[in-house]
Amino acid sequence: EVQLVESGGGLVKPGGSLRLSCAASGFTFSSYSMNWVRQAPGKGLEWVSSISSSSSYIYYADSVKGRFTISRDNAKNSLYLQMNSLRAEDTAVYYCAREPTIAAAGKMVIRWFDPWGQGTLVTVSS
Amino acid sequence: QSVLTQPPSASGTPGQRVTISCSGSSSNIGSNTVNWYQQLPGTAPKLLIYSNNQRPSGVPDRFSGSKSGTSASLAISGLQSEDEADYYCAAWDDSLNGHWVFGGGTKLTVL
Repeated sequence: EVQLVESGGGLVKPGGSLRLSCAASGFTFSSYSMNWVRQAPGKGLEWVSSISSSSSYIYYADSVKGRFTISRDNAKNSLYLQMNSLRAEDTAVYYCAREPTIAAAGKMVIRWFDPWGQGTLVTVSS
Repeated sequence: QSVLTQPPSASGTPGQRVTISCSGSSSNIGSNTVNWYQQLPGTAPKLLIYSNNQRPSGVPDRFSGSKSGTSASLAISGLQSEDEADYYCAAWDDSLNGHWVFGGGTKLTVL
């Protein structure tokens, strides 16, 4: 069974740091790009960061650029999100998601998120 | 303010057909495929439609997707009470070195 399990969430003070982990199982982790997506309480989904299968390509949302660092360890089937200089607005449930891709006609790439983990809650508050 | 625009709410009665729209721009929907996710209350999002109109295995054929230009739509026919959920559209955006964008979500109520 394909499964993603996040961990590492918790309560942290503004300006503090936290490292999230996502343990993958049931598929060849090293073959897929991975993502972090967050959801503030009562709000919609917000993409946070992406990392390609070999870590060659990394992308961040403007809202976290310079503060968050995504990484992966293919030997451990694990995805990470190092979060520094945390702010109240970073309070959210953080989901990791696998990103299957298919090369289509021309240079188009078909991609989507599936599956998603159950999420881990990060609360930034004094 | 989300990059992709969805109506905040939609509703229908059991058996009815409802549609949810998703409007974007040339850099996202206009040049990439659209995905739809269903989020039942208190749960993680789940893939509903990928590549504009493809259903993953296990998703009922009551759910269908379409795309035209810079807009996309999700249609749900034969509405059921268990379809009450939040629905999100998403697409890759080619601007600013590339990033994912989501719609703000549509809360579907089954009356």
